[in-house]
Amino acid sequence: EPEVTQTPSHQVTQMGQEVILRCVPISNHLYFYWYRQILGQKVEFLVSFYNNEISEKSEIFDDQFSVERPDGSNFTLKIRSTKLEDSAMYFCASSGDRYSREFFGPGTRLTVL
Amino acid sequence: KNQVEQSPQSLIILEGKNCTLQCNYTVSPFSNLRWYKQDTGRGPVSLTIMTFSENTKSNGRYTATLDADTKQSSLHITASQLSDSASYICVVILTGANNLFFGTGTRLTVIP
Repeated sequence: EPEVTQTPSHQVTQMGQEVILRCVPISNHLYFYWYRQILGQKVEFLVSFYNNEISEKSEIFDDQFSVERPDGSNFTLKIRSTKLEDSAMYFCASSGDRYSREFFGPGTRLTVL
Repeated sequence: KNQVEQSPQSLIILEGKNCTLQCNYTVSPFSNLRWYKQDTGRGPVSLTIMTFSENTKSNGRYTATLDADTKQSSLHITASQLSDSASYICVVILTGANNLFFGTGTRLTVIP
């Protein structure tokens, strides 16, 4: 079965630093998503991306966050100036169309010190 | 406010037994409801997807039911296996929206 991959698996950074989380969605998928899960809490939607632009974003996705699909295969999430509360598992997902099954990646655990 | 509530929070059952997990939602307008399985430290994996017009959907030993009138769904697991130990998450999608509303999950532990 095709897989969504994410790198790195674990990222440790100092507060105030910029981080870029990388994802390679399934090749023929058109919809891309980022979610986060703070330890012990539920998964929360951050942003959806379609046709090279953001189609929806949550209140969490403020000006510190940005997404990009730089080369047609990678899908990145950038956090400009990390805060302690950004520590979480970040999941990338992709789907073939808007209402079909989403495939999640294994996640990147971000730890902000 | 759009919410997805699940019960119980956690459940321990013996291997081979059946169990049923519950989900109540207030998400409106409702498009479809999904159940996901999430192993610790891993991404969620889709088990079933149901539109508002479907009452039941099966995937192997997993059977999901949906009552759109009462806004309730259940996930029934038959003949549980040790590998079923995971969090089971109910997820609801708004009509016209492009994001998922996640429940808090039920942590299932299957013991030998």
